[in-house]
Amino acid sequence: GENVEQHPSTLSVQEGDSAVIKCTYSDSASNYFPWYKQELGKGPQLIIDIRSNVGEKKDQRIAVTLNKTAKHFSLHITETQPEDSAVYFCAASIGEYGNKLVFGAGTILRVKS
Amino acid sequence: NAGVTQTPKFQVLKTGQSMTLQCAQDMNHEYMSWYRQDPGMGLRLIHYSVGAGITDQGEVPNGYNVSRSTTEDFPLRLLSAAPSQTSVYFCASKGQFGGWDTEAFFGQGTRLTVV
Repeated sequence: GENVEQHPSTLSVQEGDSAVIKCTYSDSASNYFPWYKQELGKGPQLIIDIRSNVGEKKDQRIAVTLNKTAKHFSLHITETQPEDSAVYFCAASIGEYGNKLVFGAGTILRVKS
Repeated sequence: NAGVTQTPKFQVLKTGQSMTLQCAQDMNHEYMSWYRQDPGMGLRLIHYSVGAGITDQGEVPNGYNVSRSTTEDFPLRLLSAAPSQTSVYFCASKGQFGGWDTEAFFGQGTRLTVV
C-alpha cells in the first residue's frame, strides 16, 4: 500500500528564517497532496494542497512543490513567525477518487523569537 | 455552519467496555472517514465511507465497526475496548468536485483513554 515518509520529525528555526519540510510517497497513482497544520488540542487544518497536474503552488508565505518523477513533495514556509509553530502533516491520496488520505508522521515546527 | 462535529471530546473507558464515538457533518459531503492519531505515527485511517450505506476498511480497522445510514452521520464503535486503542480519534469529511479531490475537513478530535 501507499507509504508516505516525512522529514524532519522536528524543526527549529529562528523567526524570519525559512522552513522546509519534505515528503516522499510510494504509489505513483497518487494525484492529490495536501498539507495540514495542527495546533495543540485541535484537528488538522488544510493550509495548502497541490494536484498532480502542477509542479508548484504558492499562497502568500507558504508554497508547495511536487516532483512526480521522483515522487516527492515539499512545503516551504518563508519569513516564519511564532504563530507558525505547530505540527505539520503531509498526505497523499489513494484509492478510487482519491478518497483515502495516507499521512506522514508529522513535523513539529518551532519558531523561536 | 458547524462543519464536522465530534462527541465526546474526552472519554475514559475500562478494558472490555464498548462505546460509540459520534461524528456529524453538515456540508453534504459524500466521503467520511475515521483516523486515529498516535505519537510519532501521524494519522492512520481506520474506516471510511464513500456514501450512505457504503463503508470500507482502512489501514487499522481491527476492533472498530462503522455504519453509514445517513449522509450526515458516521459513528465509530469500539466493540471491546483495549489499552492499545488509547489514542486521539479524528473524523473527517470531504466532497468531490469534477473528479478531483477537495479539502478534507477534520473534527476537533476525541481523546480516548482505555484503562
